[in-house]
Amino acid sequence: DAKTTQPPSMDCAEGRAANLPCNHSTISGNEYVYWYRQIHSQGPQYIIHGLKNNETNEMASLIITEDRKSSTLILPHATLRDTAVYYCIVRQEYGNKLVFGAGTILRVKS
Amino acid sequence: DAGITQSPRYKITETGRQVTLMCHQTWSHSYMFWYRQDLGHGLRLIYYSAAADITDKGEVPDGYVVSRSKTENFPLTLESATRSQTSVYFCASSDPGLRGTDTQYFGPGTRLTVL
Repeated sequence: DAKTTQPPSMDCAEGRAANLPCNHSTISGNEYVYWYRQIHSQGPQYIIHGLKNNETNEMASLIITEDRKSSTLILPHATLRDTAVYYCIVRQEYGNKLVFGAGTILRVKS
Repeated sequence: DAGITQSPRYKITETGRQVTLMCHQTWSHSYMFWYRQDLGHGLRLIYYSAAADITDKGEVPDGYVVSRSKTENFPLTLESATRSQTSVYFCASSDPGLRGTDTQYFGPGTRLTVL
């Protein structure tokens, strides 16, 4: 599975959009980009995933560049409850293992 | 809607003792996983299972034993606990349906301390 690079931490003002970047320059054609988050002391929570098209669900939007070498997770209106570690994971289409990196600590501040 | 549960949530044991951590899911997912999370290492896969009676090693399997006699249960046993196994353990399950939509759902975790 391709390796991902994320900034170690980011701050965001409450009510503003949080844009979390992820680089995955070695991603191959059959690999998906997944995002999970982990709120303190809880199990990781699935957010969204995509292959090459932009995706949106009730939690977030995922923007994948045309060359697929990077992506951005967007939380449109961040709240204090969105403070968490966000993991960007690249995974093979038929793979089942998730390889977690260090992630990005997002701090939402009032 | 119970989802995925783990028990116990907290456990303190002594070096050399056998400890079993339980994981139960109500979705009939075929895949189940055990991870451990330590400061400085993030989440690491210990073992996983593709179906009942099928298990395979992950990244850090040494010192652990798993079994899967029923689809819904995936216990993790530390046969002789060591201090280095002090960690938070997460169980997860998934069901490979549509291509690329194999999402893992995690339990609340078990915090294990080995004295």
